[in-house]
Amino acid sequence: GAGVSQSPRYKVAKRGQDVALRCDPISGHVSLFWYQQALGQGPEFLTYFQNEAQLDKSGLPSDRFFAERPEGSVSTLKIQRTQQEDSAVYLCASSLATSNEQYFGPGTRLTVT
Amino acid sequence: EDQVTQSPEALRLQEGESSSLNCSYTVSGLRGLFWYRQDPGKGPEFLFTLYSAGEEKEKERLKATLTKKESFLHITAPKPEDSATYLCAVQTNTNAGKSTFGDGTTLTVKP
Repeated sequence: GAGVSQSPRYKVAKRGQDVALRCDPISGHVSLFWYQQALGQGPEFLTYFQNEAQLDKSGLPSDRFFAERPEGSVSTLKIQRTQQEDSAVYLCASSLATSNEQYFGPGTRLTVT
Repeated sequence: EDQVTQSPEALRLQEGESSSLNCSYTVSGLRGLFWYRQDPGKGPEFLFTLYSAGEEKEKERLKATLTKKESFLHITAPKPEDSATYLCAVQTNTNAGKSTFGDGTTLTVKP
């Protein structure tokens, strides 16, 4: 079946621009997670949802980062007024239940110039 | 604060040369430890979940084991296609939704 998809795969933004990253989870997966991965490092937790409820957003680096999942399916990670330090790969994952194994999308590589 | 440390950072093996990757963790109340494989330009791919000390899981040339302080990923007679970065992650009983990942071990298997 279809896996987790993310779009766009690559995004170049000028410093100060707003960006929106989309994640389509596996159908029927209750939990959805966002991670930030810097080059040569492991994924860093940003936030997660159970259905449409955002249960933990403690990993969001600043109030410029905002995530939503209004209908409990597709999720969007928005970054306002992008900064160079926001350049990274943003990974989305979904799972049947919160504590189950996670299935990852291919990621969106964000470059802020 | 939960911590996960993986070693070595990089490992180069000849095809057929068995070895082990280490994942040491410090958490309060382990819910589960996960192993993932990540190929360049792709998202991590799930391999194993381990829940309690003494547990072992196997898949083809890979075997994962767990103690109270660390996990090992044993690779037997590796092939070039096993080349990838191997990540481990932990979940705790207090917040199962927040996984903490190590920085991975990059494995290169030469033919």
